[in-house]
Amino acid sequence: KAGVTQTPRYLIKTRGQQVTLSCSPISGHRSVSWYQQTPGQGLQFLFEYFSETQRNKGNFPGRFSGRQFSNSRSEMNVSTLELGDSALYLCASSLRWSDATNEKLFFGSGTQLSVL
Amino acid sequence: KQEVTQIPAALSVPEGENLVLNCSFTDSAIYNLQWFRQDPGKGLTSLLLIQSSQREQTSGRLNASLDKSSGRSTLYIAASQPGDSATYLCAVGTNAGGTSYGKLTFGQGTILTVHP
Repeated sequence: KAGVTQTPRYLIKTRGQQVTLSCSPISGHRSVSWYQQTPGQGLQFLFEYFSETQRNKGNFPGRFSGRQFSNSRSEMNVSTLELGDSALYLCASSLRWSDATNEKLFFGSGTQLSVL
Repeated sequence: KQEVTQIPAALSVPEGENLVLNCSFTDSAIYNLQWFRQDPGKGLTSLLLIQSSQREQTSGRLNASLDKSSGRSTLYIAASQPGDSATYLCAVGTNAGGTSYGKLTFGQGTILTVHP
């Protein structure tokens, strides 16, 4: 069964631009989470979607947004890019992530975003 | 606010050695703890998941233990191999009144190098 697929693998943008990243979860998984990974801050939670609804959001500015489609695929968008947005963006999926779940999270390989 | 700390930050061992990676967390109200492996520039691979009611989980040469009351977990790797070289991350899911969806809190990781 195919894993979590993220596209593109690499992106180079300049400050002020916007970017859209895509994530296709494992077939049958309906919960999609996004994380930002940087050398300084490590892995930080951005948001989680289930059945096209955002159920949880991390402590990031409003420039970071996302959405989920009816087929569970998800996109995240970053507007007005800043140098500090350079990071590896990771998407993860799980079946449904009910509260206090014991489901594993399955991660994609990530999108490496460089902002110049 | 949950905080996760991993010690040591880096570890270099000769092949064949048994080793222990440590993880501590500040809020004991967790519902699970997961250990992940990350290879350079790649996504995360889930190794073991320990439910809050469990004390340990085993998979092959890996054994993870959990002591919720003291806020600690250890990952034991037996008979290490060069292929075990990677960054190992500990992550906890914390009960937060219904706002835990998709969110794990990660440690900064332990960089493991196993040399032949």
